[in-house]
Amino acid sequence: GESVGLHLPTLSVQEGDNSIINCAYSNSASDYFIWYKQESGKGPQFIIDIRSNMDKRQGQRVTVLLNKTVKHLSLQIAATQPGDSAVYFCLITGGGNKLTFGTGTQLKVEL
Amino acid sequence: NAGVMQNPRHLVRRRGQEARLRCSPMKGHSHVYWYRQLPEEGLKFMVYLQKENIIDESGMPKERFSAEFPKEGPSILRIQQVVRGDSAAYFCASSPERSGKLFFGSGTQLSVL
Repeated sequence: GESVGLHLPTLSVQEGDNSIINCAYSNSASDYFIWYKQESGKGPQFIIDIRSNMDKRQGQRVTVLLNKTVKHLSLQIAATQPGDSAVYFCLITGGGNKLTFGTGTQLKVEL
Repeated sequence: NAGVMQNPRHLVRRRGQEARLRCSPMKGHSHVYWYRQLPEEGLKFMVYLQKENIIDESGMPKERFSAEFPKEGPSILRIQQVVRGDSAAYFCASSPERSGKLFFGSGTQLSVL
C-alpha cells in the first residue's frame, strides 16, 4: 500500500520567516500531489496541487516542489503569518483508489 | 455552489446506540470518501464510494460500521452499537473524479458517553 510520511511532526517558525514542510512517499506510480491545511476544529482545505509532469508550482505565498527521483514533496510558505498556524497534510494519489494522507505537520508561528 | 455538507456537526451517543453521519457532496460530485480523525492525529481513510457502489472499504472496521451512497440523497456512515473508542471526528470529502482533488466538509464530531 501507499506509504506517506512527514519528516517533522511540529514546525515552529518566527513570523515573517519562510516555512518548509516536507512529505515523502514510496509509490512510484503516484502522479498527483495535493497539500491541505487544517485549522483547529475545521475540515482540511485545499492549498495547492501539482502533477507528476511538473517539478514546481507556485501560488500566492506558497510553492510546491516535487522531486520524483527521491519521491519527495515539499510545501514552502513565504513570509509566514500567524494565520498560517495549522496542520498541513500532503495527499498522494495515483496507482490505485485509496487516497492516503500523511500524518501531518503542525505549523506554529511565533510572534 | 454549496460545499460539502456534513450533519450533524456534533453528535452525542451513549454506548450501544447507533450513530448516523450524513454527507452531501458538492453538486456534480459522484465520488465520496470518509475519513476518521483522532485528536492530534492524521486523517485515516475509511471508505470510498461512488453512486450506489462501495469501491474501497478497506479502512473501515468489518463489524458495526457500514456506509452507503444511494442514487438519491446523501452518503451515510452508520456506526452500530457505538463504543467509546468510536469517539472521533469523521470527515467526508467529495470529488468529481477518481483520484481527483478532494473537497472536505466541516466534519462530524462524535462523542460516545
